[in-house]
This record gives sequence, C-alpha cells and structure tokens, in this order.
Amino acid sequence: GQQLNQSPQSMFIQEGEDVSMNCTSSSIFNTWLWYKQDPGEGPVLLIALYKAGELTSNGRLTAQFGITRKDSFLNISASIPSDVGIYFCAGIMFSGGYNKLIFGAGTRLAVHP
Amino acid sequence: GAGVSQTPSNKVTEKGKYVELRCDPISGHTALYWYRQSLGQGPEFLIYFQGTGAADDSGLPNDRFFAVRPEGSVSTLKIQRTERGDSAVYLCASRARDGVEGELFFGEGSRLTVL
Repeated sequence: GQQLNQSPQSMFIQEGEDVSMNCTSSSIFNTWLWYKQDPGEGPVLLIALYKAGELTSNGRLTAQFGITRKDSFLNISASIPSDVGIYFCAGIMFSGGYNKLIFGAGTRLAVHP
Repeated sequence: GAGVSQTPSNKVTEKGKYVELRCDPISGHTALYWYRQSLGQGPEFLIYFQGTGAADDSGLPNDRFFAVRPEGSVSTLKIQRTERGDSAVYLCASRARDGVEGELFFGEGSRLTVL
C-alpha cells in the first residue's frame, strides 16, 4: 500500500491564487520528487529534492525537502488554468538493492478562471 | 516518436481472459518500470527491469501477473485469468542510466477494463 500521505486530496481555487500542498510519511526518504499528471497522460517530473532542508524553485513552483526527511511541500504561486491536474509527491527509498520510487495518492487541483 | 509508447491505449476484456500490454521505452533507456494506477490513486509499483532482467518484481499482486523484457528494450506485461479488480491504467516508464535521479519518463498508459 501507499506509504506517502498527501493533503489536501483536492483543491478548487481561483486563477491567480497561490496553492500549497504537502506530503508526509512515516518512513525516511533519500529523495523527494513532485510530479504532475494531466488527464490521459502519464506523470511528468516537476521538481526533485535531494537534501534535507533543501528549497528548490522551478518558475512558479517551489518545493522543500523536510528536515526530518519524512515530509515535503509544494507551492504554486499565481495559479493559471493550465496548472489544473493531479500533483503527486514521490519518494525514493533504498530497498532490495536499488532505489525504489513510491508515489502518494495525489492532490487534484482545479483552477477557476 | 521520442517518448515511451504503450499499446493498446484501451483494452476491454471479459473476466477470465488473457491480456498483454506492450511498452516501448525511450531508446537507450536501460531501466523500465511498470506501475498500476487505479481510479483516484497514485501509481502503484509493479515491477522494475534493469536491462533484460527483473531486478524487483515485488509489486506484482499475484502469480496471474508476469512481465518480460527479452531483449532489454520492449516489455510486455501479461495478465492471466483477468478479474474485475484488475481494471486500472497500467503505466510504463523508463529512465536513462545517467538521468536525473527519480526522473521517470512515463507513457500515456494502457487503460484496462475487465467486464
């Protein structure tokens, strides 16, 4: 089963608003990633975080790797209609001799023009 | 094309039938993954190939599921005696050897519906 807990499950916001979503786990991860999935497509990587405490930006996106290595958040500033989609956090843990990627259940974002 | 290609995009079958889903990864990518995504859920790991061998098949739910990658490129996920609970989108992803850690390139998925 899933080891990552994402919240909120869904959000409905007005265009121009800022958005914040987060991901927590009872397990420690070596790397945190944030993916976005558009309808009918596979997830696409947005941001990767490699060090505890790391804060990384990619355009209007900002993500942080929690100090405890058990959580991460993603912020989207000044949302636009094309931000609509499902955002997944994912963590990498070393398991069975290789780095295993595990996904959360996703946060569904709807943006009202 | 340059991306991960999956066929069929949609498959409707009857309970008890056999199904094969195909994945053609990005050329040169040695790592290949199969994930299953149920409605409202995130991708759930099934199996990981490094080259021709399955490095980790711990996510396969039971022995009705099997996957191969005989030449280290194209992979086929095989499901025997399908059940209604197998209905989901099956995602394939590949990764470059020297790529960004954790960056998987996903296909559009094969949506399986078992009636």
